Amino acid sequence: DTEVTQTPKHLVMGMTNKKSLKCEQHMGHRAMYWYKQKAKKPPELMFVYSYEKLSINESVPSRFSPECPNSSLLNLHLHALQPEDSALYLCASRRTESYNEQFFGPGTRLTVL
Amino acid sequence: SQQGEEDPQALSIQEGENATMNCSYKTSINNLQWYRQNSGRGLVHLILIRSNEREKHSGRLRVTLDTSKKSSSLLITASRAADTASYFCATLNTNAGKSTFGDGTTLTVKP
Repeated sequence: DTEVTQTPKHLVMGMTNKKSLKCEQHMGHRAMYWYKQKAKKPPELMFVYSYEKLSINESVPSRFSPECPNSSLLNLHLHALQPEDSALYLCASRRTESYNEQFFGPGTRLTVL
Repeated sequence: SQQGEEDPQALSIQEGENATMNCSYKTSINNLQWYRQNSGRGLVHLILIRSNEREKHSGRLRVTLDTSKKSSSLLITASRAADTASYFCATLNTNAGKSTFGDGTTLTVKP
């Protein structure tokens, strides 16, 4: 299984809602990533988990809260988002932080009203 | 841009023609990777070239790397309509454990 899955595919939420994005991989990868991507822009790194511990937080606002319950799962909890947070949220994994190839999920298209 | 620039930003060609995209980066690297992204989808890893390599081939893809100029190019030969996508270069900082992506080139191949 060389796949990273993400749910949901699409999410529409109001600014007062709480929602979560989920990411799963069964490749035994120990590094997992959240990226945010705006239209016609490259992915921007948000968080990195290495061996289930948060290793990088790229100064992301606290309304985004990551969680890594186990080595296969990565969540992104969303609360009190702003319309400018609307974007494609991508999850990725690699064998370890120093390994080269990243495997990306298909993304969650988030719209904040 | 995050790490470097890619040019052109957009490229439109006819099926069967070759497409060349360029990427520049700013820091020293161990390797450079190219990814492809279909509209609104995740990225797919295409090819990796190490800093001690100058050229690498994979099917219809040819990548070059010039570390003295901090630049790389991706050539897609005999393009197909299915090659229509955005292409990103990325460099991995192994010490920081993160990749940095170029701004990307949007390729349109007309049938």
